Formats: sequence, structure tokens, C-alpha cells
Amino acid sequence: NAGVTQTPKFQVLKTGQSMTLQCAQDMNHNSMYWYRQDPGMGLRLIYYSASEGTTDKGEVPNGYNVSRLNKREFSLRLESAAPSQTSVYFCASLRGTRITNEQFFGPGTRLTVL
Amino acid sequence: TQLLEQSPQFLSIQEGENLTVYCNSSSVFSSLQWYRQEPGEGPVLLVTVVTGGEVKKLKRLTFQFGDARKDSSLHITAAQPGDTGLYLCAGAEEFRGNQFYFGTGTSLTVIP
Repeated sequence: NAGVTQTPKFQVLKTGQSMTLQCAQDMNHNSMYWYRQDPGMGLRLIYYSASEGTTDKGEVPNGYNVSRLNKREFSLRLESAAPSQTSVYFCASLRGTRITNEQFFGPGTRLTVL
Repeated sequence: TQLLEQSPQFLSIQEGENLTVYCNSSSVFSSLQWYRQEPGEGPVLLVTVVTGGEVKKLKRLTFQFGDARKDSSLHITAAQPGDTGLYLCAGAEEFRGNQFYFGTGTSLTVIP
């Protein structure tokens, strides 16, 4: 059981470049999430997917797109990277209901945009 | 504007001391979680509280959910160096689907 895996672990981009962050979970969870973590800001939700085939915007969706490819995989795409998108990105999946819940997090992707 | 405000933001204490971390909001939450995060890793769940006024204990950690389900606290008794880390509260706002909001975090350092 690998849990939640993310690739890549580190990435450096130039302004305007695009890239896709990959996330996969092997726990058969329905809901998956993408967060970004910045100093002093905790984690902020970018997008989430309550089930295969559905996606919804979170607090900070601008500049990002997502794809829920299947139940296991949820990818995050930056079409034209900006320095403000320098952050640590975490993917998570949710076990249980919204009430009795536990999010399992991946190890994160550290992204720097120059 | 953060939906969940945590205080203090930073805390440095000596081993053996007690401490309390607060998580406050003006919104009502159907559940609230506390996570701990180590450097270079993702957060790991410590506890979920669901009922207003609920108190849960996990060894030396005591978690309380406010009666109105708008706030929570984490109390650590006799802190140890292994408690060092970033503590995050997170909540599922009532009637807002599967969206979770995280607090600003409390960075705890326990000095041996």
C-alpha cells in the first residue's frame, strides 16, 4: 500500500512554462484534493474532486486546472506558471464521510517559478 | 482572509512544560480535525471532533471542540521533543459539501 503518491518531488520552472503535477492513491477513496502551502498560510484548497468525473473549485483556483482521470488519479496543471505559484503542493484523498473523515496526504511537490 | 485562525503562530517551550493551541472561526463546522506535519512531509491526522463540547484525549494530547462548533483547542501536557512540528486545524464547514479549510498553523519547538 503506497497511500498517496505525488510526482515530481521538486520542480523549477521559468515564468510562462507549463507543467502537470501527478497524484495517485491506492486506497479506493472517492474524494481527492489539491492544496498549496505557503509560509504562515496553512494549506489552501485549489481544487477538489468528490468522485470520479467531477471537479470543483476551492479557495484559490486561478491559474490552475485539474483532471480526475479515474478513481485513482487526480492531476493539477499550471498552464502558464507565475512566480506567485511558487509553493509546496499537496495532494490528498479522503477516507470516510465528510463528518467522520481523514485526509491522507502525499509527500508534496516543491515548485519554484523563476 | 483565513476562515480558521490559529494562535499562537510560533511556540518554543522547554521539555516538560504544558501548552495550548487555539483554533478559532466565526463559521460553524460539522467536524474539525487536528493534523501534525513534520518538515518535508504531508500532514498526518491526529484526531477528528464532531460534537459540540466534545473532548478527546490522545495520550498527552487533549482536544476540545467548542460548544458552538466554531472553535477548538489542543492542549499538550508535559511536552517532549518528539512533539515538535507544525500543528494544523482543519474544518468541514456546514452545508459546504466536501470542502475543507485549514488553519494558519502553529509551529511548536520543544527544547530538550
